[in-house]
Amino acid sequence: GQSLEQPSEVTAVEGAIVQINCTYQTSGFYGLSWYQQHDGGAPTFLSYNGLDGLEETGRFSSFLSRSDSYGYLLLQELQMKDSASYFCAVSPRDSWGKLQFGAGTQVVVTP
Amino acid sequence: DADVTQTPRNRITKTGKRIMLECSQTKGHDRMYWYRQDPGLGLRLIYYSFDVKDINKGEISDGYSVSRQAQAKFSLSLESAIPNQTALYFCATSDWDRGDGELFFGEGSRLTVL
Repeated sequence: GQSLEQPSEVTAVEGAIVQINCTYQTSGFYGLSWYQQHDGGAPTFLSYNGLDGLEETGRFSSFLSRSDSYGYLLLQELQMKDSASYFCAVSPRDSWGKLQFGAGTQVVVTP
Repeated sequence: DADVTQTPRNRITKTGKRIMLECSQTKGHDRMYWYRQDPGLGLRLIYYSFDVKDINKGEISDGYSVSRQAQAKFSLSLESAIPNQTALYFCATSDWDRGDGELFFGEGSRLTVL
């Protein structure tokens, strides 16, 4: 079946930069989304890449390469409040309107 | 008030009991979803509905049923709960025509089946 792979955990210090990679094994998908979730709370939308390239939203940037079925979320100037789980998600071409999520990456920010 | 409201927020029940989780939204979205979250497994889609007359199974629909009572209401039922249905359940909505892949999630319903 289709799956998204992302690292389970990343640890970094305040002020650092973290890159969370997401690879998707499929012949095609509409776009790549990223969500943030704090301690079992509601996931919240961060970004969407419908086209290849870089999207920047403040300290967070997201990148997509369709040819490589690969994307990443870049967290810059890390703050303690960025400690959370981050999920990538895709809408596969054979199931428009549904999002399929990766297992999530726990980001731990240390002082 | 939250745009997507789930009730109950927490529930402990016993094996074999029928459980209903309810979701209501004030965002005016046609599309509603139920996801299940287990540690290390991310969010898995149980059922989704693109309008009141449209109900579709997701990847893990066995043991669950849903009802779309109105555009704003989408409930999830466990007819006979079992312990491996212990999980955190999320309802979500989307305005998919925006094309940006954004879902709006409720705060979650934590279900424990003993």
